[in-house]
Amino acid sequence: QEQLVESGGGVVQPGRSLRLSCAASGFNLSTYDIHWVRQAPGRGLEWVSLISHDGSKKYYGDSVKGRLTLSRDNSKNTVFVQMDSLRVEDTAIYYCVKGRYCGRSSCYPLGYYYGMDVWGQGTTVTVSS
Amino acid sequence: QSVLTQPPSASGTPGQRVTISCSGSRSNIGSNSVNWFQGLPGTAPKLVIFRNNQRPEGVPDRFSGSGSGTSASLAINGLQSEDEADYYCAAWDDSLNRVLFGGGTKLTVL
Repeated sequence: QEQLVESGGGVVQPGRSLRLSCAASGFNLSTYDIHWVRQAPGRGLEWVSLISHDGSKKYYGDSVKGRLTLSRDNSKNTVFVQMDSLRVEDTAIYYCVKGRYCGRSSCYPLGYYYGMDVWGQGTTVTVSS
Repeated sequence: QSVLTQPPSASGTPGQRVTISCSGSRSNIGSNSVNWFQGLPGTAPKLVIFRNNQRPEGVPDRFSGSGSGTSASLAINGLQSEDEADYYCAAWDDSLNRVLFGGGTKLTVL
């Protein structure tokens, strides 16, 4: 059974940092991109970021660009996101989400298929003074 | 404000057919496939349609997706009470290099 489990959320003051982790099981993480998606209280889904299967490409949403750093350790089946200079508006449930498959030679174009078939249970980040 | 536009709400009675629209632009829906997600309170979102009209294993065939130009639609036939949820469309945007979500549509089963 494919599964993603996030951890690292908590309550933090504005301006501080948090590091979230996403541990994968049931599939080979090294062949999949990973997205981060968040949902603020009472709000809709917001795409936050994407790290490619091998960590060579990273994409960020406007609201977090410059404050988030993605990384991954495929040997440990884990993806990380370092969140710096946190703001009150970063308060949300953060989900890591399985992305597209990338085989030995190529990946599907992101426009054709970016995945999102498996979601973690989410980890809550609360930024408050 | 979301770049993909959905109606904030939709409703239907059990057994009815309901459609939810999603409008974008040439750089997202006009060029790329659309996914649809179901969001229930207290649970992670669930993929119900991918690549415009494909259903993941386990999703009832009452759910279908379609699209034309810069718009896409999710249809639910034979509406059931357990379909009451928030529904989100999403697509990759070639200009912005990111996934865009619609603002979500709250579906109420009357």
